[in-house]
Amino acid sequence: DADVTQTPRNRITKTGKRIMLECSQTKGHDRMYWYRQDPGLGLRLIYYSFDVKDINKGEISDGYSVSRQAQAKFSLSLESAIPNQTALYFCATSDLQRDSLLADTQYFGPGTRLTVL
Amino acid sequence: LAKTTQPISMDSYEGQEVNITCSHNNIATNDYITWYQQFPSQGPRFIIQGYKTKVTNEVASLFIPADRKSSTLSLPRVSLSDTAVYYCRSTGGGNKLTFGTGTQLKVEL
Repeated sequence: DADVTQTPRNRITKTGKRIMLECSQTKGHDRMYWYRQDPGLGLRLIYYSFDVKDINKGEISDGYSVSRQAQAKFSLSLESAIPNQTALYFCATSDLQRDSLLADTQYFGPGTRLTVL
Repeated sequence: LAKTTQPISMDSYEGQEVNITCSHNNIATNDYITWYQQFPSQGPRFIIQGYKTKVTNEVASLFIPADRKSSTLSLPRVSLSDTAVYYCRSTGGGNKLTFGTGTQLKVEL
């Protein structure tokens, strides 16, 4: 979805390096998410944010940190990258539609393919 | 952490109806079930969402039994362009967003 952009699209780095993946959205949504995708494991939630002052850990937050710089920007950092963080990373956004966390529809970016050597 | 489970893969032919079932045993009372479609090198895309019984839109139907522990995505008359991975999503309780491992649907002529 062109309304959700991710940079870079591809990145190769070495073990121990600090890496930042950036996500921007023009949909005006309050909620933003970071997922990683590995073959055979589907999509797993790393962190999510319901607004600029709200950050929540997801299923697999260890080794990652995030920053919500503005409503439209949500970045994911790997402080010291390791090879098992090699994966496809997706950012997503959604807007509050109902009380339930899962009633909202998520819009995904194109993904960042990260390789840690 | 509760998981959603789906078949790993399914094969079909053009023009057939395809039904993909997802199990979400620990779905929370107020949570919805959402299905997404993903093509290679793209992010997932929303298909359909429901809470109970049946929901239908222009691309699919979603069937949810009374106990809500499973759901079935129904794709009528599939075509080659429906070849993709299909994910169901539910919380599994505790507001932990969980996607299934996805079902790779392959449609052939």
